[in-house]
Amino acid sequence: AQSVTQLGSHVSVSEGALVLLRCNYSSSVPPYLFWYVQYPNQGLQLLLKYTTGATLVKGINGFEAEFKKSETSFHLTKPSAHMSDAAEYFCAVSRFTSGTYKYIFGTGTRLKVLA
Amino acid sequence: NAGVTQTPKFRILKIGQSMTLQCTQDMNHNYMYWYRQDPGMGLKLIYYSVGAGITDKGEVPNGYNVSRSTTEDFPLRLELAAPSQTSVYFCATLIRGAGTDTQYFGPGTRLTVL
Repeated sequence: AQSVTQLGSHVSVSEGALVLLRCNYSSSVPPYLFWYVQYPNQGLQLLLKYTTGATLVKGINGFEAEFKKSETSFHLTKPSAHMSDAAEYFCAVSRFTSGTYKYIFGTGTRLKVLA
Repeated sequence: NAGVTQTPKFRILKIGQSMTLQCTQDMNHNYMYWYRQDPGMGLKLIYYSVGAGITDKGEVPNGYNVSRSTTEDFPLRLELAAPSQTSVYFCATLIRGAGTDTQYFGPGTRLTVL
């Protein structure tokens, strides 16, 4: 069965510092992997996704993630945090089963950016 | 292009009441989903649909029902509201591309059952 683990339910960084949000997955087949961001009182917005090909994926707002098969990881990074990055971030894996694509979401990491 | 819209934004129900959460999309996507989000739990799939007239249960379907009479609409019904159904509900659609898929989420409905 597929699963997603996000290490750290809360992460705090100073403005301008590196952001690193961790995601590990388990999957018996090559996964499709996603990062979503959720701002307060809003729905989820796609940040980036990995399907096939280049393992370093660039997304919106300066975020990127690297798919490492040997480590079963898909960590999200941003070189320099901005106050506007404060939000909750969800890692997800999808698979095609029972006639549809189903997503398994991690439990989320709330990012706090300190001035 | 409004994408995915959900109504209402907020609702308070008494135990035993019923209500329908509305979800409408204007992107002509076949796949639609209902999730609930509870603090520290991520998103759990309630029901999904692969097209008009076709629905199926997700991880946590108990206490809910859905219908999909058109491509655009995918309402979620709570027949006998219980405090355990206090949550934020998100509707999503999915677009399929070449070897990939991307979900688009509505803004959510925050439901409290007292």
